[in-house]
Amino acid sequence: GDSVTQMEGPVTLSEEAFLTINCTYTATGYPSLFWYVQYPGEGLQLLLKATKADDKGSNKGFEATYRKETTSFHLEKGSVQVSDSAVYFCALSDLGSYGKLTFGQGTILTVHP
Amino acid sequence: DADVTQTPRNRITKTGKRIMLECSQTKGHDRMYWYRQDPGLGLQLIYYSFDVKDINKGEISDGYSVSRQAQAKFSLSLESAIPNQTALYFCATSDTMGEAFFGQGTRLTVV
Repeated sequence: GDSVTQMEGPVTLSEEAFLTINCTYTATGYPSLFWYVQYPGEGLQLLLKATKADDKGSNKGFEATYRKETTSFHLEKGSVQVSDSAVYFCALSDLGSYGKLTFGQGTILTVHP
Repeated sequence: DADVTQTPRNRITKTGKRIMLECSQTKGHDRMYWYRQDPGLGLQLIYYSFDVKDINKGEISDGYSVSRQAQAKFSLSLESAIPNQTALYFCATSDTMGEAFFGQGTRLTVV
């Protein structure tokens, strides 16, 4: 079945540091890939997405590139802010699973001033 | 107004009680989902529905049931709540490509 594996957390950074959160996936078909973010006390919201190989999703300074050869979708940001502190979830949606999302376990990011 | 609204936002209930969590959406999507979030485990799918007449079990459906009353409404019931059902519950709706919109969650505590 489909699965998503995220790097172990939590991640603690100083403001303006570079961020990478690793994500790899297993899927039987050709999935769409997503990063969702959950701010404290809130539901998940879409951060970025990519629907086919080599696509780059980007939003709010975050980027992730769909790498089919390495089955990866790593999240990066060049300079994090305190306001980026949240839980980040990598997810996939496979047409073979009729659009259901499969989530990674989430990575807690804390950014200090 | 929020795209996906869950009620209640917080609930404390006793072991053995029946409880219903409600969800409504204004996105006009056919697909709706109930997820459970536990610390360190990400989100696990409880039930999903692709239209009013279609209900499917997810990974962890035991102890839960659902009702799809209308395209916009999807409720989750715990028939006899137990303490290990204490968790954060999310309702979501999605388009056919899987992009999902989530409610703010219901924090359920079973004592």
